[in-house]
Amino acid sequence: KAGVTQTPRYLIKTRGQQVTLSCSPISGHRSVSWYQQTPGQGLQFLFEYFSETQRNKGNFPGRFSGRQFSNSRSEMNVSTLELGDSALYLCASSLGFGLQSTEAFFGQGTRLTVV
Amino acid sequence: GESVGLHLPTLSVQEGDNSIINCAYSNSASDYFIWYKQESGKGPQFIIDIRSNMDKRQGQRVTVLLNKTVKHLSLQIAATQPGDSAVYFCAEGYNFNKFYFGSGTKLNVKP
Repeated sequence: KAGVTQTPRYLIKTRGQQVTLSCSPISGHRSVSWYQQTPGQGLQFLFEYFSETQRNKGNFPGRFSGRQFSNSRSEMNVSTLELGDSALYLCASSLGFGLQSTEAFFGQGTRLTVV
Repeated sequence: GESVGLHLPTLSVQEGDNSIINCAYSNSASDYFIWYKQESGKGPQFIIDIRSNMDKRQGQRVTVLLNKTVKHLSLQIAATQPGDSAVYFCAEGYNFNKFYFGSGTKLNVKP
């Protein structure tokens, strides 16, 4: 059974650009959550999608957005990139809604560097 | 590998000893807690969870203790092995929504 796949693994962008990251959940999982991980702030919740609908949202500016497709694959987009957006972006997939028990699995993340 | 925290508190233990990693959570209404392990270059991996109606839960070599009075969570690892070296995060959530993660503790196991 394939795990959670995030692409690309590494990305370098320039300030002001926009970026799209992709997450393919484990087959059969319908919930995808996104997190930002930085050395200073740790893991911070961005948003969660379930059945193509955003169910929860963290405290990030509107430059951060996401969507989920009918096959449960999810993308997150960051517009007008800032240096502070440099981070490891992780997605987690689970069967149900919410980060529940053993059902949640994380991908390896996309390392975004903004220069 | 990926850097998950340059200024994390570090716990160093000898192989074979027991490890205790602590976490203080912030929301007294939190009703669900999870411990994750993150190795360098990998995403977090679920270890064990506990609901607020429990104060102790045991897994394989791991035990989680919850003290709601002081909003404290701990992870005990028995007979720590070199493969246990990683960063450990606790996460708190309310009604399975909006999980918040602690900053993490780096466990260093000395052979």
